[in-house]
Amino acid sequence: EVQLQESGPGLVKPSQSLSLTCSVTGYSITSSYRWNWIRKFPGNKLEWMGYINSAGSTNYNPSLKSRISITRDTSKNQFFLQVNSVTTEDTATYYCARSNVMDAWGQGASVTVSS
Amino acid sequence: DIVLTQAPLSVSVTPGESASISCRSSKSLLSSKGITSLYWYLQKPGKSPQLLIYRMSNLASGVPDRFSGSGSETDFTLKISKVETEDVGVYYCAQFLEYPLTFGSGTKLEIK
Repeated sequence: EVQLQESGPGLVKPSQSLSLTCSVTGYSITSSYRWNWIRKFPGNKLEWMGYINSAGSTNYNPSLKSRISITRDTSKNQFFLQVNSVTTEDTATYYCARSNVMDAWGQGASVTVSS
Repeated sequence: DIVLTQAPLSVSVTPGESASISCRSSKSLLSSKGITSLYWYLQKPGKSPQLLIYRMSNLASGVPDRFSGSGSETDFTLKISKVETEDVGVYYCAQFLEYPLTFGSGTKLEIK
């Protein structure tokens, strides 16, 4: 059974970068599927941020394209999210999830952007 | 971007009764392959979202058959028959037809 788990700092200062790790067990991220980052804002809104696929190609939400980067470490079966120049509006719970149908999600990582 | 409009914002249901949630898309979600790329998720309190329905009407593995999905190319319904207390949470529709993937605003189901 595939399992995903997010990790990273829970507090980031404005203008700095947010970095999160998704550790995957039970399935190799190089075998198939797309590996996504999705965030949930206070108030329930969900936003798809982007993915990295099994070949290492990425696709980002245009609303974030200039600030976001998704990379991976295949030796550790992990993929990463970096969001640059964060503001308080980036405060959210961040999830990693496997698609094509988002059938597996991590438990979520709460990130607060505050000075 | 494809906009998904959910209604109602919240619903309060007596256990054993039925509930329906609507999701309307700003664009047809029927692909050239004949697949309707509309999905339903439930986020229970304190948990991550879980897949309920895929491709408009297919029940995900392990999901009780009290849940069902239906619709057309732009108008979709999630029906929960005989609601149970474990069904509380926020329900989301989502489209995977084109990028960026988008979600509805969510419908909160509460138990009376």
